[in-house]
Amino acid sequence: KNEVEQSPQNLTAQEGEFITINCSYSVGISALHWLQQHPGGGIVSLFMLSSGKKKHGRLIATINIQEKHSSLHITASHPRDSAVYICAVTNTGNQFYFGTGTSLTVIP
Amino acid sequence: EPEVTQTPSHQVTQMGQEVILRCVPISNHLYFYWYRQILGQKVEFLVSFYNNEISEKSEIFDDQFSVERPDGSNFTLKIRSTKLEDSAMYFCASSDPRDLAGGSYEQYFGPGTRLTVT
Repeated sequence: KNEVEQSPQNLTAQEGEFITINCSYSVGISALHWLQQHPGGGIVSLFMLSSGKKKHGRLIATINIQEKHSSLHITASHPRDSAVYICAVTNTGNQFYFGTGTSLTVIP
Repeated sequence: EPEVTQTPSHQVTQMGQEVILRCVPISNHLYFYWYRQILGQKVEFLVSFYNNEISEKSEIFDDQFSVERPDGSNFTLKIRSTKLEDSAMYFCASSDPRDLAGGSYEQYFGPGTRLTVT
């Protein structure tokens, strides 16, 4: 069973498009993380949130605790945004659960 | 900008051998983590470490694995008697105790060590 589900698994977008990646989880959480994994394998933490909304540049992350759902939005997408985006949660026992990732390709 | 470093970047070992993967966390961070990602699969949590002891570990982190902070800078993952299925990318991460939100910490990841067991 997957404690964290992401959709879509794969996403192709034209440069400039608005992108949404969704994450649903089934455990009680203390925080939700959005991570970016580049083709070379490196992982970068984009957001950590436990409520509401956060924004960094063109990236916006929201979380709805009642619905156990989070979204990552990318505005004005660019080819350099091409990467795998991973949703992960830490439960109240501080265990970590990762989604399988969404592979995003932005075409010029 | 401070960063987490890992060595080696790629380790090839024979089945049954022991390997030690090394990580240097960001210097003022106090929480340390190891993750693994088997090729084509999702990232999996192995262990977290704080105050010189394991604070959480997953089912994967059995007696074959151990972690240590041998000095003030390194954080190591030892895998004893490696198996073919241990082949994976291993990521180290660290957290600053001040980056706390909702009981969790923002993590900074190293570039990973690719372990290949032959």
